[in-house]
Amino acid sequence: ILNVEQSPQSLHVQEGDSTNFTCSFPSSNFYALHWYRWETAKSPEALFVMTLNGDEKKKGRISATLNTKEGYSYLYIKGSQPEDSATYLCAFNPGGGADGLTFGKGTHLIIQP
Amino acid sequence: NAGVTQTPKFQVLKTGQSMTLQCAQDMNHEYMSWYRQDPGMGLRLIHYSVGAGITDQGEVPNGYNVSRSTTEDFPLRLLSAAPSQTSVYFCASRDGFNEQYFGPGTRLTVT
Repeated sequence: ILNVEQSPQSLHVQEGDSTNFTCSFPSSNFYALHWYRWETAKSPEALFVMTLNGDEKKKGRISATLNTKEGYSYLYIKGSQPEDSATYLCAFNPGGGADGLTFGKGTHLIIQP
Repeated sequence: NAGVTQTPKFQVLKTGQSMTLQCAQDMNHEYMSWYRQDPGMGLRLIHYSVGAGITDQGEVPNGYNVSRSTTEDFPLRLLSAAPSQTSVYFCASRDGFNEQYFGPGTRLTVT
């Protein structure tokens, strides 16, 4: 079983503040790292798929970085808005024939007005 | 495109009953997966498939069977339901490196 850890488990942030959280994964084999946004009573929605060490991806106020050598990825949200409240999941794909994604337990983000 | 569809949305089973959760995608994706979501456990991979005729086990495969006879369909079978299988089940598909698309989920209760 692959160990994919996300921290913190939950986070309360004031509207307008910026925030970030971490996903760590095994650094020995790497194929791809996914980030998803999951709102209550909905299905997870893809944010980014990252495949190269040093990758940086951006979508609006949300961005992510990847360090495959040390086995971590950061997700950043700039100027948090109430609609950013959700659980953010990362998922690791080591490749090499093991093609299922292993998910972390998520960071539950609550934006307070 | 309908994306990833799952049926039923809700199901209640008695212990020992069998049933099949249906999943279909119309995006011609090679990869399809089944996950279960339990409180405090996140999403855990049950089974996945990298193409028609090819399936493999994930983290929690016991009690579940899958088959992939077509690219579009990836049903999940519970042969003898147990209360421990009470969960929300998500089917997902993706194309290689690319982002994964999830179905709307099936909420299963086993009494």
